[in-house]
Amino acid sequence: KQEVTQIPAALSVPEGENLVLNCSFTDSAIYNLQWFRQDPGKGLTSLLLIQSSQREQTSGRLNASLDKSSGRSTLYIAASQPGDSATYLCAVSYSGSRLTFGEGTQLTVNP
Amino acid sequence: DTGVSQDPRHKITKRGQNVTFRCDPISEHNRLYWYRQTLGQGPEFLTYFQNEAQLEKSRLLSDRFSAERPKGSFSTLEIQRTEQGDSAMYLCASSLLDRTNYGYTFGSGTRLTVV
Repeated sequence: KQEVTQIPAALSVPEGENLVLNCSFTDSAIYNLQWFRQDPGKGLTSLLLIQSSQREQTSGRLNASLDKSSGRSTLYIAASQPGDSATYLCAVSYSGSRLTFGEGTQLTVNP
Repeated sequence: DTGVSQDPRHKITKRGQNVTFRCDPISEHNRLYWYRQTLGQGPEFLTYFQNEAQLEKSRLLSDRFSAERPKGSFSTLEIQRTEQGDSAMYLCASSLLDRTNYGYTFGSGTRLTVV
Protein backbone atom coordinates (compact mmCIF):
# COMPACT_ATOMS: atom_id res chain seq x y z
CA LYS A 1 0.00 0.00 0.00
CA GLN A 2 1.34 3.43 -0.92
CA GLU A 3 1.39 5.53 2.25
CA VAL A 4 2.61 9.01 3.08
CA THR A 5 3.53 9.96 6.64
CA GLN A 6 4.25 13.40 8.02
CA ILE A 7 6.15 14.15 11.20
CA PRO A 8 5.53 15.96 13.47
CA ALA A 9 1.74 16.19 13.51
CA ALA A 10 1.95 19.57 15.18
CA LEU A 11 4.71 22.08 15.76
CA SER A 12 4.81 25.35 17.69
CA VAL A 13 7.79 27.69 17.33
CA PRO A 14 8.67 31.30 18.16
CA GLU A 15 8.82 33.79 15.35
CA GLY A 16 12.14 33.91 13.52
CA GLU A 17 13.07 30.26 13.94
CA ASN A 18 14.13 28.07 11.04
CA LEU A 19 12.20 24.82 10.93
CA VAL A 20 11.96 21.53 9.07
CA LEU A 21 8.87 19.51 8.27
CA ASN A 22 9.28 15.87 7.33
CA CYS A 23 7.47 13.64 4.88
CA SER A 24 8.12 9.97 4.18
CA PHE A 25 6.60 7.65 1.60
CA THR A 26 6.61 3.87 1.39
CA ASP A 27 6.94 3.41 -2.39
CA SER A 28 9.95 5.20 -3.86
CA ALA A 29 8.74 4.94 -7.48
CA ILE A 30 7.18 8.37 -7.37
CA TYR A 31 6.43 10.62 -10.33
CA ASN A 32 6.56 13.84 -8.32
CA LEU A 33 6.03 15.25 -4.85
CA GLN A 34 4.19 18.41 -3.95
CA TRP A 35 3.97 20.49 -0.77
CA PHE A 36 0.75 22.38 -0.03
CA ARG A 37 -0.38 24.86 2.58
CA GLN A 38 -3.91 24.81 3.99
CA ASP A 39 -5.40 27.54 6.15
CA PRO A 40 -8.30 26.56 8.47
CA GLY A 41 -11.49 25.86 6.54
CA LYS A 42 -9.87 26.68 3.22
CA GLY A 43 -8.60 24.87 0.15
CA LEU A 44 -4.99 23.97 -0.60
CA THR A 45 -2.34 26.32 -1.92
CA SER A 46 0.53 24.75 -3.84
CA LEU A 47 3.94 25.71 -2.46
CA LEU A 48 6.54 23.61 -4.25
CA LEU A 49 6.52 20.79 -6.81
CA ILE A 50 9.53 18.48 -7.12
CA GLN A 51 9.76 16.15 -10.10
CA SER A 52 11.21 12.70 -9.49
CA SER A 53 14.41 13.67 -11.33
CA GLN A 54 15.00 16.70 -9.11
CA ARG A 55 16.63 16.91 -5.69
CA GLU A 56 15.21 20.21 -4.46
CA GLN A 57 13.11 23.24 -5.22
CA THR A 58 13.19 26.71 -3.67
CA SER A 59 10.69 29.52 -3.45
CA GLY A 60 11.49 32.50 -1.28
CA ARG A 61 11.95 31.32 2.31
CA LEU A 62 10.87 27.78 1.42
CA ASN A 63 13.12 24.95 0.30
CA ALA A 64 11.92 21.41 -0.37
CA SER A 65 14.25 18.47 -0.85
CA LEU A 66 13.58 15.01 -2.22
CA ASP A 67 15.49 11.79 -1.56
CA LYS A 68 13.74 9.04 -3.51
CA SER A 69 16.07 6.26 -2.40
CA SER A 70 15.21 6.81 1.27
CA GLY A 71 11.59 7.75 0.61
CA ARG A 72 11.87 11.15 2.24
CA SER A 73 11.19 14.81 1.60
CA THR A 74 11.72 17.80 3.84
CA LEU A 75 10.25 21.28 3.73
CA TYR A 76 12.56 23.89 5.22
CA ILE A 77 11.07 27.21 6.27
CA ALA A 78 13.56 29.97 7.03
CA ALA A 79 12.93 32.84 9.43
CA SER A 80 9.39 31.77 10.27
CA GLN A 81 6.64 34.38 10.62
CA PRO A 82 3.20 34.28 12.29
CA GLY A 83 1.67 34.35 8.80
CA ASP A 84 3.27 30.97 8.15
CA SER A 85 0.87 29.40 10.65
CA ALA A 86 -1.15 26.79 8.74
CA THR A 87 -1.29 23.07 8.03
CA TYR A 88 1.37 21.85 5.62
CA LEU A 89 0.53 18.82 3.50
CA CYS A 90 2.87 16.60 1.55
CA ALA A 91 1.44 14.74 -1.45
CA VAL A 92 2.98 12.13 -3.73
CA SER A 93 1.98 11.25 -7.28
CA TYR A 94 2.91 7.83 -8.65
CA SER A 95 1.39 8.20 -12.07
CA GLY A 96 1.18 11.91 -12.77
CA SER A 97 -2.51 11.81 -11.92
CA ARG A 98 -3.93 11.19 -8.45
CA LEU A 99 -2.17 12.45 -5.32
CA THR A 100 -1.66 10.49 -2.10
CA PHE A 101 -1.56 12.88 0.85
CA GLY A 102 -0.05 12.71 4.30
CA GLU A 103 -2.11 13.83 7.27
CA GLY A 104 -0.30 17.14 7.51
CA THR A 105 1.77 19.08 10.03
CA GLN A 106 -0.08 21.85 11.87
CA LEU A 107 2.38 24.73 12.31
CA THR A 108 1.92 27.57 14.77
CA VAL A 109 4.41 30.46 14.73
CA ASN A 110 4.11 32.57 17.86
CA PRO A 111 4.86 36.32 17.75
CA ASP B 1 -9.52 33.27 -15.00
CA THR B 2 -9.04 33.51 -11.27
CA GLY B 3 -8.50 29.85 -10.44
CA VAL B 4 -10.65 26.87 -9.54
CA SER B 5 -14.16 27.79 -8.38
CA GLN B 6 -16.43 25.59 -6.29
CA ASP B 7 -20.08 26.13 -5.50
CA PRO B 8 -21.61 26.17 -2.96
CA ARG B 9 -19.04 26.94 -0.26
CA HIS B 10 -21.19 25.37 2.43
CA LYS B 11 -24.10 22.94 2.29
CA ILE B 12 -26.20 21.66 5.17
CA THR B 13 -28.58 18.86 4.30
CA LYS B 14 -30.76 16.34 6.04
CA ARG B 15 -29.83 12.70 5.99
CA GLY B 16 -31.34 10.97 2.98
CA GLN B 17 -31.39 14.04 0.74
CA ASN B 18 -29.44 14.35 -2.51
CA VAL B 19 -26.83 17.07 -2.98
CA THR B 20 -24.88 18.29 -5.99
CA PHE B 21 -21.67 20.30 -6.03
CA ARG B 22 -20.13 22.16 -8.95
CA CYS B 23 -16.51 22.77 -9.87
CA ASP B 24 -15.22 25.15 -12.54
CA PRO B 25 -11.53 24.43 -13.28
CA ILE B 26 -8.93 26.72 -14.77
CA SER B 27 -10.04 27.00 -18.38
CA GLU B 28 -6.93 25.61 -20.08
CA HIS B 29 -6.61 22.67 -17.64
CA ASN B 30 -7.70 19.37 -19.13
CA ARG B 31 -7.61 17.31 -15.93
CA LEU B 32 -10.08 17.70 -13.09
CA TYR B 33 -10.00 15.89 -9.74
CA TRP B 34 -12.31 15.42 -6.79
CA TYR B 35 -11.00 14.78 -3.27
CA ARG B 36 -12.69 14.44 0.10
CA GLN B 37 -11.17 15.67 3.35
CA THR B 38 -12.37 15.03 6.90
CA LEU B 39 -11.23 16.98 9.93
CA GLY B 40 -7.58 16.43 10.81
CA GLN B 41 -6.90 14.23 7.79
CA GLY B 42 -5.26 14.76 4.45
CA PRO B 43 -7.46 14.80 1.34
CA GLU B 44 -8.46 11.41 -0.12
CA PHE B 45 -8.77 10.88 -3.86
CA LEU B 46 -12.28 10.22 -5.21
CA THR B 47 -12.11 10.46 -9.00
CA TYR B 48 -10.58 12.32 -11.92
CA PHE B 49 -11.37 13.31 -15.49
CA GLN B 50 -9.24 13.98 -18.49
CA ASN B 51 -11.35 16.21 -20.67
CA GLU B 52 -14.82 14.60 -20.47
CA ALA B 53 -13.59 11.06 -19.79
CA GLN B 54 -13.68 9.75 -16.21
CA LEU B 55 -10.40 7.84 -16.06
CA GLU B 56 -10.22 6.63 -12.47
CA LYS B 57 -12.55 6.15 -9.51
CA SER B 58 -11.54 5.35 -5.95
CA ARG B 59 -13.13 2.51 -4.03
CA LEU B 60 -14.19 5.28 -1.64
CA LEU B 61 -16.66 6.38 -4.31
CA SER B 62 -19.70 4.28 -3.44
CA ASP B 63 -22.68 3.78 -5.73
CA ARG B 64 -24.31 6.81 -4.11
CA PHE B 65 -21.64 9.08 -5.57
CA SER B 66 -21.54 10.11 -9.22
CA ALA B 67 -19.43 12.65 -11.01
CA GLU B 68 -19.73 14.10 -14.49
CA ARG B 69 -17.80 16.45 -16.72
CA PRO B 70 -20.08 16.57 -19.75
CA LYS B 71 -18.24 18.99 -22.00
CA GLY B 72 -14.77 18.72 -20.58
CA SER B 73 -15.17 22.00 -18.72
CA PHE B 74 -17.05 22.20 -15.40
CA SER B 75 -17.80 19.12 -13.31
CA THR B 76 -20.53 18.10 -10.90
CA LEU B 77 -20.36 15.69 -7.99
CA GLU B 78 -23.68 14.29 -6.79
CA ILE B 79 -24.26 12.39 -3.57
CA GLN B 80 -27.55 10.52 -3.34
CA ARG B 81 -29.25 9.52 -0.08
CA THR B 82 -26.69 11.35 2.03
CA GLU B 83 -25.45 9.80 5.27
CA GLN B 84 -23.83 11.47 8.28
CA GLY B 85 -20.53 9.89 7.28
CA ASP B 86 -20.59 11.95 4.09
CA SER B 87 -19.96 15.11 6.13
CA ALA B 88 -16.62 16.42 4.90
CA MET B 89 -14.91 19.04 2.79
CA TYR B 90 -15.13 18.19 -0.91
CA LEU B 91 -12.21 19.61 -2.84
CA CYS B 92 -11.86 20.04 -6.57
CA ALA B 93 -8.53 20.51 -8.33
CA SER B 94 -7.39 20.91 -11.90
CA SER B 95 -4.13 20.46 -13.74
CA LEU B 96 -2.71 20.64 -17.22
CA LEU B 97 -1.49 17.39 -18.73
CA ASP B 98 2.00 18.56 -19.51
CA ARG B 99 5.20 16.60 -19.67
CA THR B 100 7.05 19.09 -17.53
CA ASN B 101 4.59 20.07 -14.86
CA TYR B 102 1.77 18.21 -13.22
CA GLY B 103 1.16 20.89 -10.60
CA TYR B 104 -2.31 21.03 -9.15
CA THR B 105 -4.52 24.04 -8.43
CA PHE B 106 -7.17 23.45 -5.78
CA GLY B 107 -10.45 25.24 -5.21
CA SER B 108 -11.61 26.47 -1.81
CA GLY B 109 -13.83 23.43 -1.33
CA THR B 110 -17.46 22.73 -0.48
CA ARG B 111 -18.09 21.89 3.16
CA LEU B 112 -20.95 19.41 3.50
CA THR B 113 -22.73 18.86 6.79
CA VAL B 114 -25.31 16.08 6.96
CA VAL B 115 -27.67 16.39 9.93
